[in-house]
Amino acid sequence: DIQLTQSPSSLSASVGDRVTITCRASQGISNYLAWYQQKPGKAPNLLLYAASRLQSGVPSRFSGSGSGTDYTLTITSLQPEDFATYYCQQYYTALSWTFGQGTKVEIK
Amino acid sequence: EVQLVQSGAEVKKPGESLKISCETSGYKFNEWWIAWVRQMPGKGLEWVGTIFPGDSDTRYSPSFQGQVTISADKSITTAYLQWSSLRASDTAMYYCVRPHPDRSGYYIDYWGQGTRVTVSS
Repeated sequence: DIQLTQSPSSLSASVGDRVTITCRASQGISNYLAWYQQKPGKAPNLLLYAASRLQSGVPSRFSGSGSGTDYTLTITSLQPEDFATYYCQQYYTALSWTFGQGTKVEIK
Repeated sequence: EVQLVQSGAEVKKPGESLKISCETSGYKFNEWWIAWVRQMPGKGLEWVGTIFPGDSDTRYSPSFQGQVTISADKSITTAYLQWSSLRASDTAMYYCVRPHPDRSGYYIDYWGQGTRVTVSS
């Protein structure tokens, strides 16, 4: 199984800050990586797929990068509505998915 | 507009059976995989299994194989997740999701609103 390790598990940031979340895979996943945002009591929402492709309707302050085993989600200029938990997901193994453990972004 | 509408919250006792549903619309149900994802209270996301309604090809996570059954009814474009004997450890939110193809893999582009299952004596 491919394991995903997100870091940090939580962070505190202020509105306007730049935030970076990392997702490391246990083996190379060739950019088969998606990022989701989940707000309390809601289903997750797709932000990016193929490591760096922005889903339609997602603000451009969200971006993704990486290759091989290491991937990054960046939020430039954090907004109040961005306080949430973020998950990475690998889909290198087609329909057998694994998710990172999540990163909770809290207000400082 | 693609929609995945799940059945309501359930409270069950250990040992009882349960079948939850995910009614879909806005796309060709027979031509897309549909999957289930579990989220235990305060925890992360776990893939349960996936079905292709067109031919009922079904894949399960090893962690859930033999514990649940996934099915689909093409006539009413609805997918199901069922248990024959619930355990307290099945207490969780369950999401139905639509996998979207990307090269040889699939990410999730649509999520249902979730069905909360509580198993308690």
